[in-house]
Amino acid sequence: ETGVTQTPRHLVMGMTNKKSLKCEQHLGHNAMYWYKQSAKKPLELMFVYNFKEQTENNSVPSRFSPECPNSSHLFLHLHTLQPEDSALYLCASSQDLRAGQRNQPQHFGDGTRLSIL
Amino acid sequence: QQPVQSPQAVILREGEDAVINCSSSKALYSVHWYRQKHGEAPVFLMILLKGGEQKGHDKISASFNEKKQQSSLYLTASQLSYSGTYFCGTATGNQFYFGTGTSLTVIP
Repeated sequence: ETGVTQTPRHLVMGMTNKKSLKCEQHLGHNAMYWYKQSAKKPLELMFVYNFKEQTENNSVPSRFSPECPNSSHLFLHLHTLQPEDSALYLCASSQDLRAGQRNQPQHFGDGTRLSIL
Repeated sequence: QQPVQSPQAVILREGEDAVINCSSSKALYSVHWYRQKHGEAPVFLMILLKGGEQKGHDKISASFNEKKQQSSLYLTASQLSYSGTYFCGTATGNQFYFGTGTSLTVIP
């Protein structure tokens, strides 16, 4: 058990649909992350939240909208996606971000495999 | 910005050793190492903080050369369970990037 749970595990959607990915962590962490993993590319950090506040948005298109209602939950709302958005979306958490430093391990969920038709 | 890993892929026989390198063009505060098996989540292995430390557990260890902005992961006496893709993650100030990954396959 990873301590970080993502749902759904698989999602197929059309380009005009709206859907949401959910991430929940049971580790008592205060920092949460969204990553995109495409074939043959490095993990791309999308968003970072620390104590529910967004601290990073790495030039992610507005069709991806994150939400962090509390330190245990993270959502990624999807709207009008493109075929190139098909990928594995991974959520991770860590203790927190102290002074912006990344000195703590990140714990990953199993990801949501997203396919855009 | 992203660190570069080498080699991109390696195949080992059980019991052999391997070294995976991670190089950055920027000054590093810390280096993370993760392993991801096919279809599974990346799993944390270790973090090295600036100061040139070396860490290890079991037969997997790593070093961090702050001056060279490099880290190396050492796998000794490899086991079948070591197969997977290894990623380094580098922290430069408040920026964090994962490397390109190294696919490691251990065969009997």
